Amino acid sequence: DAGVTQSPTHLIKTRGQQVTLRCSPKSGHDTVSWYQQALGQGPQFIFQYYEEEERQRGNFPDRFSGHQFPNYSSELNVNALLLGDSALYLCASSPTGGLGGYTFGSGTRLTVV
Amino acid sequence: QQQVKQSPQSLIVQKGGISIINCAYENTAFDYFPWYQQFPGKGPALLIAIRPDVSEKKEGRFTISFNKSAKQFSLHIMDSQPGDSATYFCAASEETAGGTSYGKLTFGQGTILTVHP
Repeated sequence: DAGVTQSPTHLIKTRGQQVTLRCSPKSGHDTVSWYQQALGQGPQFIFQYYEEEERQRGNFPDRFSGHQFPNYSSELNVNALLLGDSALYLCASSPTGGLGGYTFGSGTRLTVV
Repeated sequence: QQQVKQSPQSLIVQKGGISIINCAYENTAFDYFPWYQQFPGKGPALLIAIRPDVSEKKEGRFTISFNKSAKQFSLHIMDSQPGDSATYFCAASEETAGGTSYGKLTFGQGTILTVHP
């Protein structure tokens, strides 16, 4: 049973560009959350998707947007990249609408130059 | 009120010793307290979790102690092994059905554990 899969694993972008990160949740999971983990820090909540809608959002600007598809997979989009967006982006899925714990993927390492 | 404070930032123990990591929270609505283990280049993996209706939970060499009145919880790793060397994160969430948090995790800053052979 595959866990949470994220793609790509690494990405290098130029400041001002746009990026799309992808996540396939663990089989049977219906809720996807995205977290940003800066180097040496704990993950910070970006937003959560359930039933193809953004259900709640952390303290991130509108440059960060997302989508959830009918098969529960999800995308994270970041526009107008800043150097400070360089981080590990983690996708986490949950089987019960967000309750009962989350399983994390290995993340996408984004470097903005 | 959403913060979770974790200490120490780093910890070095000898093989066979006890590793202790502490966390404190402010939001009394939190009702689920997981600990995650993260190796370099990997995402956090759930290690053990506790809910406030119990004061202690043990799984193998890992034990969570929970003090609801003090709003503190800690992870104890008994008989620490070099393979336990990783970054450990405490976290907290509000999981009550009907609440508005939907299990959003608030993480501590992490503790880098090094176990010397």
